Amino acid sequence: GAGVSQSPSNKVTEKGKDVELRCDPISGHTALYWYRQRLGQGLEFLIYFQGNSAPDKSGLPSDRFSAERTGESVSTLTIQRTQQEDSAVYLCASSPQSRETQYFGPGTRLLVL
Amino acid sequence: AQSVSQHNHHVILSEAASLELGCNYSYGGTVNLFWYVQYPGQHLQLLLKYFSGDPLVKGIKGFEAEFIKSKFSFNLRKPSVQWSDTAEYFCAVLYNFNKFYFGSGTKLNVKP
Repeated sequence: GAGVSQSPSNKVTEKGKDVELRCDPISGHTALYWYRQRLGQGLEFLIYFQGNSAPDKSGLPSDRFSAERTGESVSTLTIQRTQQEDSAVYLCASSPQSRETQYFGPGTRLLVL
Repeated sequence: AQSVSQHNHHVILSEAASLELGCNYSYGGTVNLFWYVQYPGQHLQLLLKYFSGDPLVKGIKGFEAEFIKSKFSFNLRKPSVQWSDTAEYFCAVLYNFNKFYFGSGTKLNVKP
């Protein structure tokens, strides 16, 4: 079956612009995670959605970052007024329940010039 | 705050050598443990996981990991590596069925 998909695969933007990243989880997966991976570093948790519960936003680094999820489907991560330090790979993962194995998408490579 | 440490950032081995990658985590209650692998040009995929039971877990491609609760460790091992094992390996911990924490990753380079 289809895995987690993310779009775009690459995004180059200018400092100060807004960007929107999209994640399509595996159908039926109730949990969805966003992570950031800076060059040479590990995965940094950003936000977690579980069903219709309020999302866990504790990992968002600033108020420029926000994310939404429509029901148990698509999620979008929005970064406003991008900064050069936002350059990273943004990974999305979904799982059938919060405690289950995560299935990762290919990531979106963001470069802020 | 919880944390996961992978002390080996870059490991270079020859084929047939034995592998052990360290993973230590901070105390934080109930833990479920994972190793993920990212092959060149591919996305992260699960290698093995520990939820409960036998602390020695066997995964795909001949990998295994041992959960040692007293040492807060979940080291990854393989008796004989192959060139195709060249990848980046990430240890991850799920604390209290709530939040995942990932280590910074270990890049393994296997020379043919």
